[in-house]
Amino acid sequence: NAGVTQTPKFQVLKTGQSMTLQCAQDMNHNSMYWYRQDPGMGLRLIYYSASEGTTDKGEVPNGYNVSRLNKREFSLRLESAAPSQTSVYFCASFGSGSYEQYFGPGTRLTVT
Amino acid sequence: TQLLEQSPQFLSIQEGENLTVYCNSSSVFSSLQWYRQEPGEGPVLLVTVVTGGEVKKLKRLTFQFGDARKDSSLHITAAQPGDTGLYLCAGAFGSARQLTFGSGTQLTVLP
Repeated sequence: NAGVTQTPKFQVLKTGQSMTLQCAQDMNHNSMYWYRQDPGMGLRLIYYSASEGTTDKGEVPNGYNVSRLNKREFSLRLESAAPSQTSVYFCASFGSGSYEQYFGPGTRLTVT
Repeated sequence: TQLLEQSPQFLSIQEGENLTVYCNSSSVFSSLQWYRQEPGEGPVLLVTVVTGGEVKKLKRLTFQFGDARKDSSLHITAAQPGDTGLYLCAGAFGSARQLTFGSGTQLTVLP
């Protein structure tokens, strides 16, 4: 039981490049989330998926797209990376009946 | 967008001292969680409080939920270097299945 896994752990991109961050959970949770964490700003919600086949925007969705591939996997795509997207990205999940979220280890992304 | 204010932002204390971290909102929480995050890792849940006035204890950590469910506090007794980390509060509002996070308190406990 690995919980929530994320790949890659580190990534450096040049401005304008694209990439996809992968997230998977093995807890059979319905809801999955993508956050970004910047110094002094806590975690801000980018997108979430309440269930397989649905996605919704969070607080800071601009510049990102997501895909809920199946119940286990939720990916985050940066189509044209910008320096403002330099951050640590966390994926999280939780099941029904609870607000307790389980987080992955994070992806540290630097855009130069 | 619901706002959640956390204070202080930074706290550096000596081993053995006590401390309190605060989390406040102008809106009513459905529930509130406290997380602890260590460098290079994701946040890990410490506790969830749901009922106004609720107090929960986790060893030397005491969590309190305000009577009106608009505020919460985390008190650590006799802090140890192992308590060092980023403490985050996160609130759920209404029926939304989303959490709003505070900006965090970076705690450093010096030996």
